[in-house]
Amino acid sequence: GESVGLHLPTLSVQEGDNSIINCAYSNSASDYFIWYKQESGKGPQFIIDIRSNMDKRQGQRVTVLLNKTVKHLSLQIAATQPGDSAVYFCAETRGPKFYFGSGTKLNVKP
Amino acid sequence: DAGVIQSPRHEVTEMGQEVTLRCKPISGHDYLFWYRQTMMRGLELLIYFNNNVPIDDSGMPEDRFSAKMPNASFSTLKIQPSEPRDSAVYFCASSFSSPYEQYFGPGTRLTVT
Repeated sequence: GESVGLHLPTLSVQEGDNSIINCAYSNSASDYFIWYKQESGKGPQFIIDIRSNMDKRQGQRVTVLLNKTVKHLSLQIAATQPGDSAVYFCAETRGPKFYFGSGTKLNVKP
Repeated sequence: DAGVIQSPRHEVTEMGQEVTLRCKPISGHDYLFWYRQTMMRGLELLIYFNNNVPIDDSGMPEDRFSAKMPNASFSTLKIQPSEPRDSAVYFCASSFSSPYEQYFGPGTRLTVT
């Protein structure tokens, strides 16, 4: 598997703490938003999605919040674990086309 | 399920050579996507297929790039001739019924010298 060493903003959190990763999107016409996780040496992995007619969606240990007024998306990870260390990408879609953000690196300290 | 399979995992070639990347989507998936990831541009969609038909190739950088999907279980991305600026990690992804929940392969790291 592969990943590219992007010069990314980094969020460092202590194991067990909650993490919040933010993303600003560009187009108010975007109708669907997705968070992906990319571990070193692997392809992106789907985490959670949200449609534009919602403002919150919860999964297992993850919550996505959407604020359309300010075009902001966030991913909250509860009780962060070492296995959560990865690069996290948000993506916005218009129709079937995806537009990925540049990513945030999450570093979980034991 | 084995997931999306890509080959080769690493490819090193000289400028001017032809490069062919291969992808086997997850069985039953009807959407297939090709992406490129670089330090400078992040993750970019190059082209996607639905039911083996190319739907949008507006992300293909130039005519040196071409993609085919001869059947539901196989796709290729070809670069001819390759250039050093094509060096990147190329991902294939597939999804079922809608383009949204995409499953990515492990990627092919291409180095053009």
